[in-house]
Amino acid sequence: DVQMTQSPSSVSASIGDRVTITCRASQGIRTSLAWYQQKPGKAPKLLIYSASTLQTGVPSRFSGSGSGTDFTLTISNLQPEDFATYYCQQANTFLLTFGGGTKVEIK
Amino acid sequence: QVQLVESGGGVVQPGRSLRLSCAASGFTFSSYGMHWVRQAPGKGLEWVAFISYDGRVEYFADSVKGRFAISRDGFNNMVYLQMNSLRPEDTATYYCTKIRDSFGYNWFDPWGQGTLVTVFS
Repeated sequence: DVQMTQSPSSVSASIGDRVTITCRASQGIRTSLAWYQQKPGKAPKLLIYSASTLQTGVPSRFSGSGSGTDFTLTISNLQPEDFATYYCQQANTFLLTFGGGTKVEIK
Repeated sequence: QVQLVESGGGVVQPGRSLRLSCAASGFTFSSYGMHWVRQAPGKGLEWVAFISYDGRVEYFADSVKGRFAISRDGFNNMVYLQMNSLRPEDTATYYCTKIRDSFGYNWFDPWGQGTLVTVFS
């Protein structure tokens, strides 16, 4: 199985800050990586796929990069609605696997 | 718009069975692979099962292999997750989700609202 390791597990930030979340795969997965946002009590929402492609309707302050084993999700100019938990997910092979999540909290 | 509505969750004793349903609408159901993903209370996401657009290919997480089955009904646009020999560790909210693009990578979009399964004696 491909193990996905996210860091940090939580981050405190202020409105307007830039936040970077990293995701590392235990083996190379090319650009077969997605990022999801989940708010409390809600289903996850697809933000980015193929490592860097923004899902339709997602604000441009979200961006993704990386390939192989190391990936990042960056939120520029953090907004109140961005406080949530973020997950990475690899789709290079079945079994599909998620990172452990990163909770973005208000400082 | 695309809608996925899960049902069938509830409280069940260990060792018993439960069948979850997912009603799909707003897209050409026969063109999309479908997945189930679960989330234990306060925990992260775990992929559970996949069924291809035509129902011919299935994959399962190791944690449920041999106990869970997935199926689809193209006439009624439904996906099912048959869960047998349930264990306390199967307690979770179960989400139904489709792949973003037909014949594409397994990006999950959108997701249903989820249905809670509690395995408790």
